[in-house]
Amino acid sequence: DTGVSQDPRHKITKRGQNVTFRCDPISEHNRLYWYRQTLGQGPEFLTYFQNEAQLEKSRLLSDRFSAERPKGSFSTLEIQRTEQGDSAMYLCASSLRRQGADYGYTFGSGTRLTVV
Amino acid sequence: KNEVEQSPQNLTAQEGEFITINCSYSVGISALHWLQQHPGGGIVSLFMLSSGKKKHGRLIATINIQEKHSSLHITASHPRDSAVYICAVLSGGSEKLVFGKGTKLTVNP
Repeated sequence: DTGVSQDPRHKITKRGQNVTFRCDPISEHNRLYWYRQTLGQGPEFLTYFQNEAQLEKSRLLSDRFSAERPKGSFSTLEIQRTEQGDSAMYLCASSLRRQGADYGYTFGSGTRLTVV
Repeated sequence: KNEVEQSPQNLTAQEGEFITINCSYSVGISALHWLQQHPGGGIVSLFMLSSGKKKHGRLIATINIQEKHSSLHITASHPRDSAVYICAVLSGGSEKLVFGKGTKLTVNP
């Protein structure tokens, strides 16, 4: 297992276009998280999944954003009608949640989105 | 006021110096993470702590739950330690990490 993989690493898109990012977590991890990091700031929580169920969404996740984890393995994050303010690093992380504790919390390298 | 405050925001050191980065938080937590982020974005998890102290190589992390404070120490710092170090907490009852803004460390040869 090579850790948490994110694809693509970089994405440049025109304002108004839709984009989709993919995250492949560590295979035995049941939790998957999406975070967003803007320049000079720490990451901010967007949403998380326990297996295939999306259990929490931040108010940062407007209706233009949608995330899925259809089979409890990889996840996709789609942004529709992108705006310049969506430019950020989108980070995925995964962990094994067992008996109330997180094990092996691991981040991916992120997808850097630039909206022009 | 942010739930997680780090100090200093920027730190420049000479190779070989002992480094300390501080993190204070205002909520009850179940765990605290120290993370390293190099230019270009990828985040590496260094430590996850809920009490006491952990050591890995030249890195040491401590946490004082009563004082709501954690420190990350780097002994014998090296230019390759140059990165942004981020403190993040998992508050009790929450499922998401809350991050500090990071400390940018530059170690000069």
